[in-house]
Amino acid sequence: ETGVTQTPRHLVMGMTNKKSLKCEQHLGHNAMYWYKQSAKKPLELMFVYNFKEQTENNSVPSRFSPECPNSSHLFLHLHTLQPEDSALYLCASSQGGSRTDTQYFGPGTRLTVL
Amino acid sequence: GNSVTQMEGPVTLSEEAFLTINCTYTATGYPSLFWYVQYPGEGLQLLLKATKADDKGSNKGFEATYRKETTSFHLEKGSVQVSDSAVYFCALSDGGGSQGNLIFGKGTKLSVKP
Repeated sequence: ETGVTQTPRHLVMGMTNKKSLKCEQHLGHNAMYWYKQSAKKPLELMFVYNFKEQTENNSVPSRFSPECPNSSHLFLHLHTLQPEDSALYLCASSQGGSRTDTQYFGPGTRLTVL
Repeated sequence: GNSVTQMEGPVTLSEEAFLTINCTYTATGYPSLFWYVQYPGEGLQLLLKATKADDKGSNKGFEATYRKETTSFHLEKGSVQVSDSAVYFCALSDGGGSQGNLIFGKGTKLSVKP
């Protein structure tokens, strides 16, 4: 399944670095999402974009900055992260943003903050 | 607030055993309910879903019925295979207004032994 791709798959960064995660969906969807998956915690929704407009920011610290230039691409810009930000970051997309829409996930970026 | 509770894992079964993974939810309104599966090293894949009470979702031999009276969406399979080894996530989409944000349970790891 290559409907939603994420790059890089693995990333190691220091606390002073700036890096970006990229997500691309090839499904013609209009909504895109960022999730954080940490060990021993439920998947946490971070951001939602619907038709390129941010519709949800789930109290995410400002060191995470999303960008959605078009309906097919979603970025997560990272700066001055903390070791506790180490996690699997998952991107997803759906046709719209309604409660019945299925979200399709990418394989994730495994982030390690040293 | 809305939440999902699923049984703690890990669950270890022998091939061809019967599987049940319990999931209960708390939600206002009329959520949609989902089961997602995550194979090692991959992102989440939709396994099945149900969008209204008494609906039964099914896929690949797995089934779950949306029970509003018991606020449950238990996952079942009559005969598991080694290839079913994965982490299973129950989720709801509360869809306040038109927004369908997913709320996940903590996941249940299933290991199937030959």
